[in-house]
Amino acid sequence: GQNIDQPTEMTATEGAIVQINCTYQTSGFNGLFWYQQHAGEAPTFLSYNVLDGLEEKGRFSSFLSRSKGYSYLLLKELQMKDSASYLCANGVYNQGGKLIFGQGTELSVKP
Amino acid sequence: DTEVTQTPKHLVMGMTNKKSLKCEQHMGHRAMYWYKQKAKKPPELMFVYSYEKLSINESVPSRFSPECPNSSLLNLHLHALQPEDSALYLCASSQERRETYEQYFGPGTRLTVT
Repeated sequence: GQNIDQPTEMTATEGAIVQINCTYQTSGFNGLFWYQQHAGEAPTFLSYNVLDGLEEKGRFSSFLSRSKGYSYLLLKELQMKDSASYLCANGVYNQGGKLIFGQGTELSVKP
Repeated sequence: DTEVTQTPKHLVMGMTNKKSLKCEQHMGHRAMYWYKQKAKKPPELMFVYSYEKLSINESVPSRFSPECPNSSLLNLHLHALQPEDSALYLCASSQERRETYEQYFGPGTRLTVT
C-alpha cells in the first residue's frame, strides 16, 4: 500500500518557522513531492526529494529519510500568504505518472 | 510558459446533460492527467495520457470519457452524471509519464451536478 500520513491542521505565527511532517510506506517508493494549494486554486509544485537529505529553496526546505519513510516541509519566516493546504505526494514506482497524495495539512498563519 | 489552462471555470449541469471540460498546455509535455478533488480532500487520479494514448484509467465510471485530440489538448466528456460527481476537476501535465517528474496543475473546473 501507499498510505501517506500528515497532520490535518497546523497553526503558526507570522515570522515563525513551521515544520509539516509526512510519513509514507516505503514499498514502491519513487520520490516524494510537496505541493501547496490555496483555497479554490490549483496545487503548485514546491519540491521533490528522491535522495536522503535536505533540499533548500528560499524560505522553503524539504527533507527526506528513505529508511524511515519520513519527510518534512520546513517553512521559514512565515507570511500570511503561506496560509494554504500543503500536500505530500508519493510517486508510485513503475506506475508512471501516478501520484498518491496525503490528506493535506491545512496551515493557518496568524498575525 | 508554465501554464495549464482549463475551461470552463465553473459548470452547472443537470443529470441528463452532456458537457465537456477542456484543458490545454503549451509546455511540450507528453503526459496529461485528469484529477477529481472534493472539498477538504486531496486530488484523486482519474486518467493518465501519455503521447496521446490512454495509459491509466483508475476504474472511473463510463459516464466520464476522456479524449486527447493532440499533445496539447485534453478533454473530459461528461454524460449522465450524478450529484455526487460534483467536485473540482483538475487537469495536469508533466514532461513525461514518469513518477519522478513534477506535475503542473491547471486552475480546475468547479462542477455542480443538479
